[in-house]
Amino acid sequence: DTAVSQTPKYLVTQMGNDKSIKCEQNLGHDTMYWYKQDSKKFLKIMFSYNNKELIINETVPNRFSPKSPDKAHLNLHINSLELGDSAVYFCASSQGFGNQPQHFGDGTRLSIL
Amino acid sequence: QQQVKQSPQSLIVQKGGISIINCAYENTAFDYFPWYQQFPGKGPALLIAIRPDVSEKKEGRFTISFNKSAKQFSLHIMDSQPGDSATYFCAAGGSNYKLTFGKGTLLTVNP
Repeated sequence: DTAVSQTPKYLVTQMGNDKSIKCEQNLGHDTMYWYKQDSKKFLKIMFSYNNKELIINETVPNRFSPKSPDKAHLNLHINSLELGDSAVYFCASSQGFGNQPQHFGDGTRLSIL
Repeated sequence: QQQVKQSPQSLIVQKGGISIINCAYENTAFDYFPWYQQFPGKGPALLIAIRPDVSEKKEGRFTISFNKSAKQFSLHIMDSQPGDSATYFCAAGGSNYKLTFGKGTLLTVNP
């Protein structure tokens, strides 16, 4: 069973479109994260939710809006996609809010044409 | 401002050799130092982690060495195998509970 699963795995779309990425974890964790990995493989946190409450909100354009319907799910909606949004987006989860081991999904590769 | 500096950017090692990756941090508030391993097309996976109350932690062929005064920590992979070929990331976490990652090291282990 996949512990942290993201859909879709690949997303190719035009500039200006709106798209969503979904994430689900079956580890029973209470904290979830979104990371962005750029073309140089640099990983940077975007958002974190603990028990459905937003606890980390990095300097991310407000075109990006996370949503956590429950502890097992964290979705990412992106409005008005730009070329610079092309990256791999990773979802992760951990048990507890703090410096705990994080389990990552396999990523969603977003390509903007 | 990059708070965690990782080197080298890439590393080529012969099978059976020792791979060493170094990281340096600036923020003395960091108190959690994990290493992640990432294979192509996959997400990062936690390999080993250390907290500043110990100077070394070993798990199998993987060892973290930690030097608090120098604000440096390193990953040693003993008896490196071709299956260890991957990108390795160091990271540091502190009271704000965010992980700050290094830029990664692409390790290639030749057979």
